[in-house]
Amino acid sequence: QVQLKESGPGLVQPSQTLSLTCTVSGLSLTSNSVSWIRQPPGKGLEWMGVIWSNGGTDYNSAIKSRLSISRDTSKSQVFLKMNSLQTEDTAMYFCARFGNYPPTTFDYWGQGVMVTVSS
Amino acid sequence: DIQMTQSPSSMSASLGDRVTITCRASQDIGNYLSWFQQKPGKSPRRMIYGATNLAAGVPSRFSGSRSGSDYSLTISSLESEDMAIYYCLQSIQYPPTFGGGTKLELK
Repeated sequence: QVQLKESGPGLVQPSQTLSLTCTVSGLSLTSNSVSWIRQPPGKGLEWMGVIWSNGGTDYNSAIKSRLSISRDTSKSQVFLKMNSLQTEDTAMYFCARFGNYPPTTFDYWGQGVMVTVSS
Repeated sequence: DIQMTQSPSSMSASLGDRVTITCRASQDIGNYLSWFQQKPGKSPRRMIYGATNLAAGVPSRFSGSRSGSDYSLTISSLESEDMAIYYCLQSIQYPPTFGGGTKLELK
């Protein structure tokens, strides 16, 4: 069955770079797209960016200058890197698959990883 | 970006009540509207996709409907396990955008 699992450091210092990994199973990254979505404590969901099945990427314009998404298809992993972290970046970070058949939506989600930005 | 206006932001209801949550899209999104349920400490769970399609494993008391640019999620008879925050999502255009959420509590 399809599974996604996020991993990464729970604590990052301000101005540093966040690196997260989403490890997927039950699907191929060459035929599926994966997005990163975050949720600050007590707040709503914000889409961050996507890596498409062809390896192309799209980012939320609000954080585009700080964000990079890449992948290693041989390891079934998707990576998120975001630099210049601030306290406002404290959030739960999820990866999710964007389904292949219209009307598409996020059909599988990881459990999420909590990231706190603090010195 | 397409704005999704969700209402109400919170509501309380009794067990067995019929509950309706609404999202309005700022642009035409066709049927690219989905609903998610999120319980504390959990990731969102897809409940409805394509505005009206029930996701696998979702109880039949949940339903989705559309009237023009207004989309609704209805729970026909509220159960205790339905207490959660519900979000709508438009996915016709990037960036995909979520509604602000509706917190559903027991009265």
